[in-house]
Amino acid sequence: GESVGLHLPTLSVQEGDNSIINCAYSNSASDYFIWYKQESGKGPQFIIDIRSNMDKRQGQRVTVLLNKTVKHLSLQIAATQPGDSAVYFCAESRSGGSYIPTFGRGTSLIVHP
Amino acid sequence: DAGVIQSPRHEVTEMGQEVTLRCKPISGHDYLFWYRQTMMRGLELLIYFNNNVPIDDSGMPEDRFSAKMPNASFSTLKIQPSEPRDSAVYFCASSPIRDSLNEKLFFGSGTQLSVL
Repeated sequence: GESVGLHLPTLSVQEGDNSIINCAYSNSASDYFIWYKQESGKGPQFIIDIRSNMDKRQGQRVTVLLNKTVKHLSLQIAATQPGDSAVYFCAESRSGGSYIPTFGRGTSLIVHP
Repeated sequence: DAGVIQSPRHEVTEMGQEVTLRCKPISGHDYLFWYRQTMMRGLELLIYFNNNVPIDDSGMPEDRFSAKMPNASFSTLKIQPSEPRDSAVYFCASSPIRDSLNEKLFFGSGTQLSVL
């Protein structure tokens, strides 16, 4: 989930487990959501996105679930690998080009071999 | 394409000095964004440009910060004078024309700024 403190929420998992990273968004008008992955020393990289007309979208080893009723987003990573260790950000936006994504604080995922 | 290119990767300077961060967006991208990342505040949008024109600079903290985009392949973020509280990682990102199909941001590797 999101954090307002100094430390990022952290999820520790064993290699091979499934990981679930949660995100609560704030704007009911948001209709486009994106997950980014940020590895140490690098900029955020796009993972997967979903629009509000969908509840679920799958990529390679990743699935994003959207619950508009409670304004909740989750990222599921199957068979987590050490290379998945990173900070994961959700971002909310609105379609149409004039809206710029607002990023959450991020969740740190640590994968133990 | 080489992606978004930022320089320098690391900058250490003394309080009061001028700092200039540079960014080369992905060729053909119409939008350029400057973000600042700190542990306290996360990723903050400072300013963004569309076709070299600044659209929204409401995130720029104060008059000490300025950004320019003289052409489609180059942008600078300048801090003058710099202060210790400006220490952060500064990211540049670019995006293609933004419509309902193209809303991803492509980030550079960032500039780690330390103001002593």
